Amino acid sequence: DAKTTQPPSMDCAEGRAANLPCNHSTISGNEYVYWYRQIHSQGPQYIIHGLKNNETNEMASLIITEDRKSSTLILPHATLRDTAVYYCIEGSGTYKYIFGTGTRLKVLA
Amino acid sequence: EAGVTQFPSHSVIEKGQTVTLRCDPISGHDNLYWYRRVMGKEIKFLLHFVKESKQDESGMPNNRFLAERTGGTYSTLKVQPAELEDSGVYFCASSLLGLGADEQFFGPGTRLTVL
Repeated sequence: DAKTTQPPSMDCAEGRAANLPCNHSTISGNEYVYWYRQIHSQGPQYIIHGLKNNETNEMASLIITEDRKSSTLILPHATLRDTAVYYCIEGSGTYKYIFGTGTRLKVLA
Repeated sequence: EAGVTQFPSHSVIEKGQTVTLRCDPISGHDNLYWYRRVMGKEIKFLLHFVKESKQDESGMPNNRFLAERTGGTYSTLKVQPAELEDSGVYFCASSLLGLGADEQFFGPGTRLTVL
């Protein structure tokens, strides 16, 4: 079973920031939080990951709470092409990803 | 740099037949993973190779599935004999280090349909 929980769906207006939350209350001290997305039936696409500090790259920002029990993925200016299912994953010590059902983000024109 | 590639992109076979899926990881990635999504379910881990060795095959559903990675390069996943419930999308991923801080890069998947 997935160790993370995410809302099943969200809508976001094009050009606005999309903030996708994730709860990972069982995460251990050395486990990273990864974010991926899947557009249609393509392979999951890596977005960003972090341990405890906030992270930013060209795609998104990742905000991790101080207690590490939750995080938020931020797409600063959502476009229609960002419509996808977004997965938050705890990187386990055995290196296998456990996918949940993710959040289906719909960006609206 | 080429990403993870998978072949074929689609395969339609009849129950009882054999199918072999292939995955070519990113060059230099010692770690290779197989996942699959069956209809209506989440993506599930199947197994993990480090070079040619199987590190974790806890997700393999049964002995009809055989994964190999000859020479630590490309990998094949054979299903023999295929059953209806094997239909789904099979993803391959690779990573450089296989550590908790090392992201996995996924291929486009092979869609398998068993009739």
